[in-house]
Amino acid sequence: AQSVTQPDIHITVSEGASLELRCNYSYGATPYLFWYVQSPGQGLQLLLKYFSGDTLVQGIKGFEAEFKRSQSSFNLRKPSVHWSDAAEYFCAVGARSNDYKLSFGAGTTVTVRA
Amino acid sequence: NAGVTQTPKFRVLKTGQSMTLLCAQDMNHEYMYWYRQDPGMGLRLIHYSVGEGTTAKGEVPDGYNVSRLKKQNFLLGLESAAPSQTSVYFCASSYGWTVSGELFFGEGSRLTVL
Repeated sequence: AQSVTQPDIHITVSEGASLELRCNYSYGATPYLFWYVQSPGQGLQLLLKYFSGDTLVQGIKGFEAEFKRSQSSFNLRKPSVHWSDAAEYFCAVGARSNDYKLSFGAGTTVTVRA
Repeated sequence: NAGVTQTPKFRVLKTGQSMTLLCAQDMNHEYMYWYRQDPGMGLRLIHYSVGEGTTAKGEVPDGYNVSRLKKQNFLLGLESAAPSQTSVYFCASSYGWTVSGELFFGEGSRLTVL
């Protein structure tokens, strides 16, 4: 079975500074990897995904993530954070053979200070 | 296009009462899921369905039942609610990996069991 670890529970970043959120997964084969964002009181919205090919993927809202097989990681980055990026971020992993289920990490809450 | 709609959005129950959460999607998705979200635990899969008339257990199925009588609807039932079922419940739907892999989420249903 696949699993996801997000080591950072909470990150505080200044507006305009860069942001990196860590995600490590456990799965024996090539996984499907996702990052979702949840604004307060809302459902989850897809930021980006990796299925195959180029290991650096671009997403919405200026986010990108890099798949590193050797490190079993899929870290999310943004060069310059805006106050509206304050939210909870979830990394998720899926497997080709498991009925299209996703396993989610515990989430990282991002606070943006002025 | 409403996407994924959950009803009700808020509910308070007493221990032992029963209730049903309704999820409706208008995207003709084959796959539907019920997750619960608890602080520090991310989203955990309760039950899911890979098509009309099918259901399967996820990570935390105990105390819940589901039905998928129509393709567009996925019902989550609590037969005898317990305080441990106090949570925010999210429904999601998907085409599956072969199209986009993205899960589309509802806005959530907050359930409190006293």
